[in-house]
Amino acid sequence: SQTIHQWPATLVQPVGSPLSLECTVEGTSNPNLYWYRQAAGRGLQLLFYSVGIGQISSEVPQNLSASRPQDRQFILSSKKLLLSDSGFYLCAWATDSGNTIYFGEGSWLTVV
Amino acid sequence: RKEVEQDPGPFNVPEGATVAFNCTYSNSASQSFFWYRQDCRKEPKLLMSVYSSGNEDGRFTAQLNRASQYISLLIRDSKLSDSATYLCVVNSGGTYKYIFGTGTRLKVLA
Repeated sequence: SQTIHQWPATLVQPVGSPLSLECTVEGTSNPNLYWYRQAAGRGLQLLFYSVGIGQISSEVPQNLSASRPQDRQFILSSKKLLLSDSGFYLCAWATDSGNTIYFGEGSWLTVV
Repeated sequence: RKEVEQDPGPFNVPEGATVAFNCTYSNSASQSFFWYRQDCRKEPKLLMSVYSSGNEDGRFTAQLNRASQYISLLIRDSKLSDSATYLCVVNSGGTYKYIFGTGTRLKVLA
């Protein structure tokens, strides 16, 4: 069966510090991968998606970036965090056919 | 106009009540539709897909109206454990993007 994991689960970072969130998927090949952010009391905002290694589409201009160095690995990064980057970050995967999207457990980021 | 819109609620209903949520979407090319459930501080999890002919899963019934571009979720015989936020999700075929509504909060009261 397919599984998705992301880490770390929780982190508190000072403004201006770097960020790296990692996500891996097991049990499937060539998944579409996604990073979403959910601010407090808000809906899920699509940040990035990837349909293959090295292929990244950005949905929202911001100081975040994403990379996909391997087929089942997706990384969210920032060189300098802003207070507004605080939120709940969710990695997700789906097949190419537009069926169900599955989420990792999420990472809570607080920028102080 | 948002691509997917939901009434944020909250809907406070007594146990055993029937409650319905609606969701509208703006892209007429949308092809896949889902309802997800999200508990507080947790990741969203699939509740059910929504099919053109409507579908039922136990106490939950989902309907799709393509002409009016909305989907609905009906929960019968509400349980305390149904308290959560329900997210409407739309996928526009060919774009790989899943667009989420902001969610409708449901609180079932004893």
